[in-house]
Order: sequence, then C-alpha cells, then structure tokens
Amino acid sequence: EIVLTQSPGTLSLSPGERATLSCRASQNVGTYLSWYQQKPGQAPRLLIYDTSNRATGIPARFSGSGSGTDFTLTISSLEPEDFAVYYCHQRRTWLTFGGGTRVEIK
Amino acid sequence: QVQLRESGPGLVTPSGTLSLTCDVSGASISSPHWWSWVRQPPGKGLECIGEIYHTGDTKYSPTLKSRITMSVDKSRNQFSLIVTSVTAADTAVYYCARDVGREGFWGQGTLVTVSS
Repeated sequence: EIVLTQSPGTLSLSPGERATLSCRASQNVGTYLSWYQQKPGQAPRLLIYDTSNRATGIPARFSGSGSGTDFTLTISSLEPEDFAVYYCHQRRTWLTFGGGTRVEIK
Repeated sequence: QVQLRESGPGLVTPSGTLSLTCDVSGASISSPHWWSWVRQPPGKGLECIGEIYHTGDTKYSPTLKSRITMSVDKSRNQFSLIVTSVTAADTAVYYCARDVGREGFWGQGTLVTVSS
C-alpha cells in the first residue's frame, strides 16, 4: 500500500499569504495525485486532480505540481474561506489519502 | 445534477454487521464510473474502503477486504456496503462517492457508531 505523508501538519498563516503544502509518496504514483479540501461537517471537495488539473469551479489561486513521489499544493493568496484541512490522495494503486494538513488563521 | 445519499443504521453493536446503502440520483448506476465508500473516524483522516464498477468489478482495501462486501442494485439505482465483525474502530462518518480522485461527486456522509 502506498503511504502518503503530508507536511506540515499545521500551517498558520494570515489571509493574503501564500500557502505551500507538501505530499510525499512512499512509491512512485506517476501523476495520479489529487488534492481535497475539507471543512468541518462537510464532505471533501476536490481541488486538483492528476497532479495539476483544477477541478471545475476551483479558483485559479489553487495550483498543483510535482510527479513521482513529491507533490505540492500552492494557494497563491489565502482567502478567508481557504482555512480548512487539505488531503492529498493517490489512485496509482489502491486508493489512499495522506494524513492531512490543517491551514489555520494566524 | 448528480446526487448521492447514504442511508443505514446509525448504531451497530460490536461484532455485528454494518450495512449502508447509497442512493444515486441524476445519473445511472450503470454508467461507466467507479462507485466508492470512504470513511472518516471522528477527528481523523480519510480512508478508502472499497469501490465497485458498474460491471460489478470490485476493489477493496487490503486491510479491510476480509470483512467487506460491496454490491450494485441496478433496479434501484443504488450501491451498498456491508462490513462484518465490527468493532469500535469502525465508528466513523461513511461517505459514498463517485470517481474518487477524479471529477466526481460525494454524499454528505452518515455517522455510524459501533457501541453496545
């Protein structure tokens, strides 16, 4: 099973700042890496699929990059609604999620 | 608009069987998509349980496969999950979803508590 390790566990930032979230895979996942955002009491929301493709309706401030085992989600300028938990996910082999990064207001 | 909605008992006794159904509207369960179950223990992360294709092909979590069965009911446009021999560790919000990891849809989730 492919293990996804996300860092940092918590990111404390102010609105308007840039957020950089990392996801490292224990094996090569190619480009089959996606990112989800989850807010309390809500289902996860897809932001990025296949490493760098924004899902429908996702603002351009969200971008994804990487390949193989190292991936990054960047939020160029944090909006108040972006403070949430973010999970990376791979579907290269059996579906697994990372442990999550919480982006909190500083 | 595709919508998914989970239903089933909110409380299951230890060593019992957890059964959930996902009703799909706005799309056919027979369409070529993967239909999945994902769970989230309170305050913890996401875990994929299994997924089923419209043909009935299944993929199950390696750690849960001995206790899981998924099925599709085309006449009712729904798919189901059965988890046997449950323990407190199976307490979670259970989500049904279409095409996890791709552009898809998720239900709102249902909390299942395992307790006597």
